[in-house]
Amino acid sequence: RKEVEQDPGPFNVPEGATVAFNCTYSNSASQSFFWYRQDCRKEPKLLMSVYSSGNEDGRFTAQLNRASQYISLLIRDSKLSDSATYLCVVNGHTGNQFYFGTGTSLTVIP
Amino acid sequence: NAGVTQTPKFQVLKTGQSMTLQCAQDMNHNSMYWYRQDPGMGLRLIYYSASEGTTDKGEVPNGYNVSRLNKREFSLRLESAAPSQTSVYFCASSDFAGGLSAQFFGPGTRLTVL
Repeated sequence: RKEVEQDPGPFNVPEGATVAFNCTYSNSASQSFFWYRQDCRKEPKLLMSVYSSGNEDGRFTAQLNRASQYISLLIRDSKLSDSATYLCVVNGHTGNQFYFGTGTSLTVIP
Repeated sequence: NAGVTQTPKFQVLKTGQSMTLQCAQDMNHNSMYWYRQDPGMGLRLIYYSASEGTTDKGEVPNGYNVSRLNKREFSLRLESAAPSQTSVYFCASSDFAGGLSAQFFGPGTRLTVL
């Protein structure tokens, strides 16, 4: 079983739509969770950390469900500039290894 | 601050050649990582260095060696390149702080082995 699993998509949504991505992880001892975005042929960039209580950053909301071992990312009012691949990242219990999902592709259509 | 820098940006090698990928970070982070990214495979950890003076194998270490030269620099060496090592290589760094320690990536090295 993979450490982190994501629906690869693609998700094609119109501008202004709300879209949600889920990600499941296998190690119940994991403590840190993140969402990254990656543009084509570029490096992954941190979008947001995911806290136990859930957190929001503008149009982006991240949630963690420890009981079911999944994290989610909600994007409201999608912009063309949100088009990218979104990577779910979970760290191992030692804190020094990170496990990446294969990414979910999002295209926002005018 | 430059963050994480990598050299070279692009490289073409012939099978059997060797090369070293360089990575440096100026964020005073303790931990550094090397990943490869292949289509449909996501990022896979090659080696990591939790702190200066230590290195550990990741998921796909075969065919690679690393050196943590000092706190800033972490290099990846391919001793005898093979076509299966054609990939995009990313270096990253992080500082384990209270369990919420994200990684920051360099721009990547695109390597082709013929």
